[in-house]
Amino acid sequence: DAKTTQPNSMESNEEEPVHLPCNHSTISGTDYIHWYRQLPSQGPEYVIHGLTSNVNNRMASLAIAEDRKSSTLILHRATLRDAAVYYCILLNSGGSNYKLTFGKGTLLTVNP
Amino acid sequence: EPEVTQTPSHQVTQMGQEVILRCVPISNHLYFYWYRQILGQKVEFLVSFYNNEISEKSEIFDDQFSVERPDGSNFTLKIRSTKLEDSAMYFCASSDSAENEKLFFGSGTQLSVL
Repeated sequence: DAKTTQPNSMESNEEEPVHLPCNHSTISGTDYIHWYRQLPSQGPEYVIHGLTSNVNNRMASLAIAEDRKSSTLILHRATLRDAAVYYCILLNSGGSNYKLTFGKGTLLTVNP
Repeated sequence: EPEVTQTPSHQVTQMGQEVILRCVPISNHLYFYWYRQILGQKVEFLVSFYNNEISEKSEIFDDQFSVERPDGSNFTLKIRSTKLEDSAMYFCASSDSAENEKLFFGSGTQLSVL
């Protein structure tokens, strides 16, 4: 599986936007970029995914660089409930199994 | 929103005992998974299951582990003879597609082997 690099931790203030970066310089043309998050004492939770174009959903936006070697998860207004570990994961569309390889992720702290 | 349910939330067992962790995936999902997370470490893939058979398993998923879908709603993970190093949070997950759709995870079963 292609590798991703994320900062170990980031901090934000409540109601401010948060930009969580992810580098994936060895991404292949058929790799989708997935984001999951894990709240304290919870299982991972799907956030968003995309291939080439930017994506928006009710939770977040995903901005994908033109060369696809990096992406940014954007939380438009952070709340205390958004404090979690955020994982950027590449998933090959050619695979027959939905096998996620989790890294260490970015621990997001949201200050009131 | 539909959710994956796992029971029990905590399980304590003695080393060498058998444990069965239970999961009820989302009802129309066809693909099922077990992951685990040792305290302070990464979430690790164990096994995927489709059409009543294992489709992929990791090196962790050795002969001590087995999975089963005994009826139309439950999905279980059995550890035949638990070891201390099996202590972890075990997450069940399901999806309705094998290709790039979201995976729904349960809240996990915390297994403690004494």
